[in-house]
Amino acid sequence: AQTVTQSQPEMSVQEAETVTLSCTYDTSESDYYLFWYKQPPSRQMILVIRQEAYKQQNATENRFSVNFQKAAKSFSLKISDSQLGDAAMYFCAYDEGYNAGGTSYGKLTFGQGTILTVHP
Amino acid sequence: SAVISQKPSRDICQRGTSLTIQCQVDSQVTMMFWYRQQPGQSLTLIATANQGSEATYESGFVIDKFPISRPNLTFSTLTVSNMSPEDSSIYLCSVGPGQQETQYFGPGTRLLVL
Repeated sequence: AQTVTQSQPEMSVQEAETVTLSCTYDTSESDYYLFWYKQPPSRQMILVIRQEAYKQQNATENRFSVNFQKAAKSFSLKISDSQLGDAAMYFCAYDEGYNAGGTSYGKLTFGQGTILTVHP
Repeated sequence: SAVISQKPSRDICQRGTSLTIQCQVDSQVTMMFWYRQQPGQSLTLIATANQGSEATYESGFVIDKFPISRPNLTFSTLTVSNMSPEDSSIYLCSVGPGQQETQYFGPGTRLLVL
């Protein structure tokens, strides 16, 4: 079974600074998707960014970018110019497998989460 | 992205009772999922609910405890049966992956069992 590991239970950053959250995963598949989700105190799961394993280019979404190292099975999230609203629990997730039609099975395996605190 | 609503948003229940959680999506989706998030923990998949077929349960979850219905392509329910305090969790439904290969989540149902 696939596993996702987030080794940083908590991280903190000063407002306007940059922080990187780590994630490693284990899989024998060659094609898959990886995601970062944000969960603020409201508990709503919000998609931050997604990465297709077959793409070498790292995904970016405004202040959020990833460092995807497929061989090392590493998928870190970099948050630039951190804002107070970035404070939340961040989950790394792996999308398990594909069906014959080429779309994902959609079964997400989540890491343990990293609590990010942003200091003003 | 899909707009997903859940009812109730929260509830406090007595042990031994059952609660049915509803999940409504604003568009037709093939796959719906139910997750559980225990206090301070990550999300764990309970089951996959596809319209027209029985739900597929993950290891550690059984139909008698978590019966699921999927009557159409926009709606699903999860029942937490014969509840105990250990069932106190947030229950989230999600839909996807669809064309964008992305899964979207509902706002969750916060359940406390006394």
